[in-house]
Amino acid sequence: NAGVTQTPKFRVLKTGQSMTLLCAQDMNHEYMYWYRQDPGMGLRLIHYSVGEGTTAKGEVPDGYNVSRLKKQNFLLGLESAAPSQTSVYFCASSYDATRRNEQFFGPGTRLTVL
Amino acid sequence: AQSVTQLDSQVPVFEEAPVELRCNYSSSVSVYLFWYVQYPNQGLQLLLKYLSGSTLVESINGFEAEFNKSQTSFHLRKPSVHISDTAEYFCAVKGYSGGYQKVTFGTGTKLQVIP
Repeated sequence: NAGVTQTPKFRVLKTGQSMTLLCAQDMNHEYMYWYRQDPGMGLRLIHYSVGEGTTAKGEVPDGYNVSRLKKQNFLLGLESAAPSQTSVYFCASSYDATRRNEQFFGPGTRLTVL
Repeated sequence: AQSVTQLDSQVPVFEEAPVELRCNYSSSVSVYLFWYVQYPNQGLQLLLKYLSGSTLVESINGFEAEFNKSQTSFHLRKPSVHISDTAEYFCAVKGYSGGYQKVTFGTGTKLQVIP
C-alpha cells in the first residue's frame, strides 16, 4: 500500500495564479482532510470530506475549494493564489467516524506564492 | 469546544537524558488523545494513542504518555532520548462536534537532541 500520496511535492506560484493539489489514498478510508501547517500555528483544517461526493468547511476555508468525486481522491484548489497561502499543505485520511481511529498523513506539498 | 495546549515550542535536551513534552487539553465531551511525530520534511506519523483502559500508553520506540483526566493532561515522556528522536511532536485530541469527529492539534513542540 502506498498510503496517502500528494502531488506535487513543491510548487511556486505567482499571485493570482490557480492550481490544484491532489491527494490520493489506497486504504479505502471514508474521511479525508486538508490541513495547512504554518510555523508556530500547528495544523489548521481547511476542508474535509466524510465520504465520496461530500465536502465541508474546516477552520480556515477561505480562498480554497475542494472536491471528492472519487472515494480515493481529494482535491484542493486555489482559484487565485495569495502570498498568505504560502504554506505546507498536508492531506490526511481516516477509516471511519469512530473516534478511535487515527489519521494517516501524506508527505506534504510545499507551496510558495510570490 | 475543544482545545490543545503545548506550552513548550522547543525543548533542547542532551542525548541519553530524559524528556517530557507537555500537553494539556480541554473539552466538554470525552475525547481520544494522540501524539504524532513529524520528522524533517515529512508528514505526521502516529506515535501513540489513548482510547480507553490503562492510562499509560507506550510506543514501540520507548516513548510513553499518561492520560490524567483530573489534570486534563497527556504528557509525553522518554527516559533516555536518542539523536534520532529529534523531530517535532504534536498532541491531538479527537471528539465529536456537530456530528463530526473533530480533531484539534496543538501547535507542536520541537525536540532537539544535543549530542
